[in-house]
Amino acid sequence: GESVGLHLPTLSVQEGDNSIINCAYSNSASDYFIWYKQESGKGPQFIIDIRSNMDKRQGQRVTVLLNKTVKHLSLQIAATQPGDSAVYFCAENWAGGADGLTFGKGTHLIIQP
Amino acid sequence: KAGVTQTPRYLIKTRGQQVTLSCSPISGHRSVSWYQQTPGQGLQFLFEYFSETQRNKGNFPGRFSGRQFSNSRSEMNVSTLELGDSALYLCASSAGQGATNEKLFFGSGTQLSVL
Repeated sequence: GESVGLHLPTLSVQEGDNSIINCAYSNSASDYFIWYKQESGKGPQFIIDIRSNMDKRQGQRVTVLLNKTVKHLSLQIAATQPGDSAVYFCAENWAGGADGLTFGKGTHLIIQP
Repeated sequence: KAGVTQTPRYLIKTRGQQVTLSCSPISGHRSVSWYQQTPGQGLQFLFEYFSETQRNKGNFPGRFSGRQFSNSRSEMNVSTLELGDSALYLCASSAGQGATNEKLFFGSGTQLSVL
């Protein structure tokens, strides 16, 4: 299947600032998107998901935005904390897919004090 | 509720050997998927099982195989290990009937090193 990519391998932000992590996808048939956070030595941890019939979804301190016109996905983290330091992956799937979730390469979010 | 449990946490093998990794899904989850994670290729889908049946398979050679038991626990096996098989192997479970359009819950993985 087609791959999901991320714009930046590393993103450095100040503690307390808002973080925006971007992801571009190329499969126009994708209808489900999900963000994961992976800390060192751990498996990916679910953050938030969104289906293609939505443009925006909010969780606790996180918001996912989906722009299907330009095939772009973003994760916004409000008031970034040291515990947010991790690698963030976007992933996509579509109802007819048979190859599981397709993951992007990941963005390493670094929190500066 | 306990999360996805993978054993062992670390493995060191030599080329040509075979290895079996184990995964216990979240209680009540019937779908189990396996992914390989490497620095170069990222996370790649291996296969997915539901009710003891392999439903989907990724683009990996036949040396990679798996199975699921009646209690939803799953194992994956890699035969004739190659250096390139060194990776973090991740197991994930989901509550529904398959990995399509469902959130996956991952274990901490098994770190396999092939020497």
